[in-house]
Amino acid sequence: QKEVEQDPGPLSVPEGAIVSLNCTYSNSAFQYFMWYRQYSRKGPELLMYTYSSGNKEDGRFTAQVDKSSKYISLFIRDSQPSDSATYLCAMWANSKLTFGKGITLSVRP
Amino acid sequence: ETGVTQTPRHLVMGMTNKKSLKCEQHLGHNAMYWYKQSAKKPLELMFVYNFKEQTENNSVPSRFSPECPNSSHLFLHLHTLQPEDSALYLCASSPDRSSSYEQYFGPGTRLTVT
Repeated sequence: QKEVEQDPGPLSVPEGAIVSLNCTYSNSAFQYFMWYRQYSRKGPELLMYTYSSGNKEDGRFTAQVDKSSKYISLFIRDSQPSDSATYLCAMWANSKLTFGKGITLSVRP
Repeated sequence: ETGVTQTPRHLVMGMTNKKSLKCEQHLGHNAMYWYKQSAKKPLELMFVYNFKEQTENNSVPSRFSPECPNSSHLFLHLHTLQPEDSALYLCASSPDRSSSYEQYFGPGTRLTVT
């Protein structure tokens, strides 16, 4: 079993939809959970990070961590065409960051 | 300049060439990283520097040689590369190694080995 699993997609939604992106993991030692957004021909951009279980909200984005289920999610409300990008989840333990493969999201106008 | 910058943005090189990638961070960070990003694969950590000292080398072939002259600059020297080394090479920085959960990336260098 891979340490971090992320559905590779791609995912296509209409503008205004609520998007749910998910990752599962197997390493119980992970403490920090990150979401990165990567536009085409750009480097990953840190969207948000959370420590341990719970929710964190930033504008239209909400990150959710459920350590008991080893499951994290990123919700995007009122999705916009500008949200079209690849989203990478990442998890941290012992000074090491482990990434998922990323999921490509397309928001149709 | 702000954030993390990388040059060149694109590089095409033959297998016998020698070239270098440059990274500079303007965030006052003390840890810097090199990653390789290939299609359909997770980011692969290559090297880590903390306060100019190399702290990690993830079994990277010797044809990749990193250099960190100070906490703001990081280089990746390339020689006798193989076509499978074609990828996006990303530089990142964080406040220090212990806070590596907060990494900020540069735009990357798209490398093509012919």
